[in-house]
Amino acid sequence: SFVLTQPPSVSVAPGKTASITCGGYAAGTKGVHWYQQKPGQAPVVVIFYDSDRPSGIPERFSGSRSGNTATLTISRVEPGDEADYHCQVWDSSSDHAVFGGGTKLTVL
Amino acid sequence: EVKLVESGGDLVQPGGSLRLSCAASGFGFSDYAMNWVRQAPGKGLEWVCGLSNSGGSTHYADSVRGRFTISRDNSKNTLYLQMSSLRAEDTALYFCAKDEGGIAARMFDYWGQGALVTVSS
Repeated sequence: SFVLTQPPSVSVAPGKTASITCGGYAAGTKGVHWYQQKPGQAPVVVIFYDSDRPSGIPERFSGSRSGNTATLTISRVEPGDEADYHCQVWDSSSDHAVFGGGTKLTVL
Repeated sequence: EVKLVESGGDLVQPGGSLRLSCAASGFGFSDYAMNWVRQAPGKGLEWVCGLSNSGGSTHYADSVRGRFTISRDNSKNTLYLQMSSLRAEDTALYFCAKDEGGIAARMFDYWGQGALVTVSS
């Protein structure tokens, strides 16, 4: 199995853009998913299959992928975006789900 | 509205057993795979196991294989996690998570609020 690597923390000023990376998955991985988790709450999917956004998630949230690195981008960051963000993929070789270590986004 | 409600969390001694339940509503339970994902205090998410919509296919993380058993009762819209030979490192908040389709471990589109399992003497 592989390890998904995320930066432990990212800080950004309100109104600016935050980028969170996720790397280490296999080349043939079918999609990277991103979950937002606020303190004391369950995770919520904000981006799935690299760049799709569920209904109800603001357009400020976007995802992209280049090679073996996926990026979650949050534009015009708001204080309410402060949360932990986790990336996740499906490892087809083992039929396991793999999560990254999570990134704490701090809005300054 | 999709709802997943976990129950059964408790304080248990090392080596003990516990069964978690997850009551599902608001969607066709028998059409979707289900998973358990845990989060140790102050740590990230760890996928524990998954079960296909029919119950015919199961997958486990190496850390729990042979000790945990996932099952479902589609007639009761309920997912279970039977945990045995519990260790201190199994202490975590256990989330029930619905998969996007019939095969487990793909993408988790709905989550419960979690059940706390504490393994300590």
